[in-house]
Order: sequence, then C-alpha cells, then structure tokens
Amino acid sequence: AQTVTQSQPEMSVQEAETVTLSCTYDTSESDYYLFWYKQPPSRQMILVIRQEAYKQQNATENRFSVNFQKAAKSFSLKISDSQLGDAAMYFCASNFGNEKLTFGTGTRLTIIP
Amino acid sequence: KAGVTQTPRYLIKTRGQQVTLSCSPISGHRSVSWYQQTPGQGLQFLFEYFSETQRNKGNFPGRFSGRQFSNSRSEMNVSTLELGDSALYLCASSLGFRTDTQYFGPGTRLTVL
Repeated sequence: AQTVTQSQPEMSVQEAETVTLSCTYDTSESDYYLFWYKQPPSRQMILVIRQEAYKQQNATENRFSVNFQKAAKSFSLKISDSQLGDAAMYFCASNFGNEKLTFGTGTRLTIIP
Repeated sequence: KAGVTQTPRYLIKTRGQQVTLSCSPISGHRSVSWYQQTPGQGLQFLFEYFSETQRNKGNFPGRFSGRQFSNSRSEMNVSTLELGDSALYLCASSLGFRTDTQYFGPGTRLTVL
C-alpha cells in the first residue's frame, strides 16, 4: 500500500524561530513527486513546496525548505524565521507516480508571538 | 491568471436529497480532481477527469459521480445524501500530466442534516 504518514498532530514554534515538520511515506515506485500543502483557517489548500523524487537536491522556496531522504522515505519541511501567517494545517502528499494525491493526516502548526 | 473556483461555497441539504457541486479550473488546465475532507477520514481522493473522461477513481460508492465538460469545467454529484457525506469537497486542477502540481480551489462545505 502507498501511504503518507505525519506523526506530529500538532507543533508550536516561537515567532522568528525555526520548526521542522516530519513526513514519511511508503511506496515501491521510483519516480514520484512529493508535496507540502498549507491549509489556513480559510480552508484553501495552498502549495508550499514540491520535490521530484529523482532529484537529490532538496527543494527550497524562500523560508521553506525540505530534507528529502529517498532511501529512508522521509520528506520533512523546515520553516525558517516563522511568521504569524505560517499558522495553518500542513499536509504532506505524494502522487506516487500517478495523477492522484495521497495525503497524510496533517500537522497543525501554531505560531507563538 | 485566475485560480480554481468552486460554487457554491456552502450548502445545506437533508438526507436523501442530491447535490451538484461545480468546479472551474485554471485556464489551460485539462485535469480536474475531486477530494473529500472530513475530520475522521482526512483527505480522500474521489475521482479525476481529463479531457472529459474519468481517468482515475477513488474508493467511493456509486452515489458519487462526476463529469467534465469540453471547457474543462467539472461537476460532482452526490445522490441520496447521507449524514456521513457532510464534508469539505475540494477541487484541484492541473495540466493533466503526472509531473504537474495540482492547484486547489477554496472548497465547498456540504452539511447534510
């Protein structure tokens, strides 16, 4: 079975500090994409960052970066200089080589002023 | 470029009724996917349409159906509503290739009484 697991239901971080959200997955595919989506209280799902599995270089988008360990099937998200607007549910997802997304259960991130 | 739009944003129905939700993708996108989000089951894939054809289907009963029009707009229909169908229904669009990122709409909140 192809699964995505987020083991941290909730995380909190002080404003301006750094936080890392964990994600592991299971698949026998070798070519797939991994994503982090953010869902604020408005419920709109917003793409944060994506990683192509065949690329060893970790993706980076401004304050957001990933630590992708393909052999360990791990895909964590690091948020640097946390801001109040980063407060949201964060979902890890993968397409596992096809056109549909499989999501983890999400991590609720709270930013402490 | 305008984002994915979904109508209506909120719906209240009673058990046994049917409902139709609409999704307009980003201009140029040919694939539309539907997801159901509930507190208990999380985010689950319903189905995906590409060029008016259902290309992928999730594990949902036949009461859930959809279609896609020639302009790529998609509708999702749920017949004989049950209390458990209360959920946020999210639509996502992409160019249609498995390498593409899916971009989500704001969702339709369905409440079944």
